[in-house]
Amino acid sequence: SQQGEEDPQALSIQEGENATMNCSYKTSINNLQWYRQNSGRGLVHLILIRSNEREKHSGRLRVTLDTSKKSSSLLITASRAADTASYFCATDAFGGKLIFGQGTELSVKP
Amino acid sequence: DAGITQSPRHKVTETGTPVTLRCHQTENHRYMYWYRQDPGHGLRLIHYSYGVKDTDKGEVSDGYSVSRSKTEDFLLTLESATSSQTSVYFCAISESRGGGETQYFGPGTRLLVL
Repeated sequence: SQQGEEDPQALSIQEGENATMNCSYKTSINNLQWYRQNSGRGLVHLILIRSNEREKHSGRLRVTLDTSKKSSSLLITASRAADTASYFCATDAFGGKLIFGQGTELSVKP
Repeated sequence: DAGITQSPRHKVTETGTPVTLRCHQTENHRYMYWYRQDPGHGLRLIHYSYGVKDTDKGEVSDGYSVSRSKTEDFLLTLESATSSQTSVYFCAISESRGGGETQYFGPGTRLLVL
C-alpha cells in the first residue's frame, strides 16, 4: 500500500525557476525523507525531516512538513538542468521501514 | 557514496529458472534492504535484514527469499522466476538502530524474465 503520494506526477520548468513538489501520507510518521533518482541510477538521499520539525534547508532545497495535514513539500530554488530527475518522498511510520511514493518527474529545460 | 555494489547489473533469464542477485556493502551497516521498482508503483520493499541471519518480509515478498550469512552480503533469490518479476531491483543499506533513517542505494539490477 502506498503511504506517500507525490503531486504532481510530472513537472516541467525552465532553468532558474523554482520547482515545488508535494507529498501526502496517511499515517503518523517518525520522519519523512526526500530522495532523487537520475535516470538509470539508484536513489540518492537529499534530506530528512523529523516529525517534530516544520522546515529544513539544505543548499537550494527547502523541505516543509505539516503533520496536521500529513503533507510535505520539497522546494528546489533556482533550478538547473542538472536537477532533472525523479524525486521521491519516503515515510518512516515507526516500523523501521521506509515506504516510498511513486515519485515526481522533474524536467528542467535549459 | 556508500560502498554498495550489486551483481549482476543486468540479467536476462527464462521463466522457471532460479535467479540470485547479490548485494555487497563495505560500510558494515546493520540494515540491508531489497526493493523492486516498477512503473506506476515506485519502490516496494521485498525483504530486509537487521543483522546476520535476521531477515523479515516486506510488502511484496511472495516468490522471493533472502539470506544474509555475512554482514556485508545480502542475497535475493527468485526460486522460480516469473515474467511478473521483470523489474529493476535495488539494494539499500542503513546504519540506524531503528532502520528508519537515511538509506543508501546501490546502482540497481535490471532483470528481464522471458
